[in-house]
Amino acid sequence: GENVEQHPSTLSVQEGDSAVIKCTYSDSASNYFPWYKQELGKRPQLIIDIRSNVGEKKDQRIAVTLNKTAKHFSLHITETQPEDSAVYFCAASNPGNQFYFGTGTSLTVIP
Amino acid sequence: KAGVTQTPRYLIKTRGQQVTLSCSPISGHRSVSWYQQTPGQGLQFLFEYFSETQRNKGNFPGRFSGRQFSNSRSEMNVSTLELGDSALYLCASSGTGGFYEQFFGPGTRLTVL
Repeated sequence: GENVEQHPSTLSVQEGDSAVIKCTYSDSASNYFPWYKQELGKRPQLIIDIRSNVGEKKDQRIAVTLNKTAKHFSLHITETQPEDSAVYFCAASNPGNQFYFGTGTSLTVIP
Repeated sequence: KAGVTQTPRYLIKTRGQQVTLSCSPISGHRSVSWYQQTPGQGLQFLFEYFSETQRNKGNFPGRFSGRQFSNSRSEMNVSTLELGDSALYLCASSGTGGFYEQFFGPGTRLTVL
């Protein structure tokens, strides 16, 4: 089955700096890669996603890149703000609609 | 549209008991997935149901089971509870066919004493 690895597990950045979280996957059949943000005590919520036929997608301060050949994808957050502090999960999904999640990255933005 | 709902929100059980959790998906969503979330382990996939059939299954023991009803509502059952089953259980609903976002419910916090 699919195996999704996520790094780093914790990340601290100064407000205004950029944050990068990286994930790798193993199953070449995976074709959908969402990123979820989970604030303390809340449910995970989708912040951005990318499909396998796209190499990069951007939404304001958040961007995701996908390298299908290397089987890795990354989340980039620019101009970080304290409200970006949360746990971020990457995931890979196959056409059978089975999602595999990474173990999460706890991001802390220091004011 | 109303979001994904889960009941109950909190449960306290003792070892050896069984428990049933419920999930109501977003209207029109036919796929419901269940996850176990524990600190440091992320979201562990339990199983996915679509049109009342289990379509995908994760690597959990047979004590974990589920079902889906004709209205797409889903239940998850854990029998013979163990201390290690203490976790947040999340369900998520989605459309089908790939490229569909999963919408999560608020979760059920299960504590096994």
